[in-house]
Amino acid sequence: DVKVTQSSRYLVKRTGEKVFLECVQDMDHENMFWYRQDPGLGLRLIYFSYDVKMKEKGDIPEGYSVSREKKERFSLILESASTNQTSMYLCAGKGGVTDTQYFGPGTRLTVL
Amino acid sequence: GENVEQHPSTLSVQEGDSAVIKCTYSDSASNYFPWYKQELGKGPQLIIDIRSNVGEKKDQRIAVTLNKTAKHFSLHITETQPEDSAVYFCAERGSNYKLTFGKGTLLTVNP
Repeated sequence: DVKVTQSSRYLVKRTGEKVFLECVQDMDHENMFWYRQDPGLGLRLIYFSYDVKMKEKGDIPEGYSVSREKKERFSLILESASTNQTSMYLCAGKGGVTDTQYFGPGTRLTVL
Repeated sequence: GENVEQHPSTLSVQEGDSAVIKCTYSDSASNYFPWYKQELGKGPQLIIDIRSNVGEKKDQRIAVTLNKTAKHFSLHITETQPEDSAVYFCAERGSNYKLTFGKGTLLTVNP
């Protein structure tokens, strides 16, 4: 079975902290994505990566950065967390020749 | 940019009835239209998808129709069951090869 795992299901951080969200996929997929999900807004793309060390901004990259040092791992970084970054964060992976994105279970982040 | 409108935002049906969720999109170059189901506490899971060279696709109780001229596509669930209760998202892949999602529909199937 396809598997995308995220390091934490729930996370609580303070304003100004540096936050790392980790995502690992076991599908040998080239493409990986980070979305945030907010009520009434659906899923919005933050960043994506189509290969190791490659990254591209999505629709809402402000306040975030990413790192992809290995093919299976894609990290989302909040350099200085703010309360408006309280959200559900979803990671997804996709193979180069397939269309389907496979999602992880999500990390619910609360910034106090 | 690309835009996907999804309706309704909430839908309540009786067990055994049909449910229909509709989405419209704006990018005429869109060529791939997946539907995802998200259960409480889980990530979205693909349930069915359709490509632009096909008008309809069916998988047991689930079907998707696509009207490229009108730029809309719909999810049809027949003989609904309580386990169909979830949030459903439509999406489209446009000319920039990214998925753009609708805002979601909360489907409740009442026993």
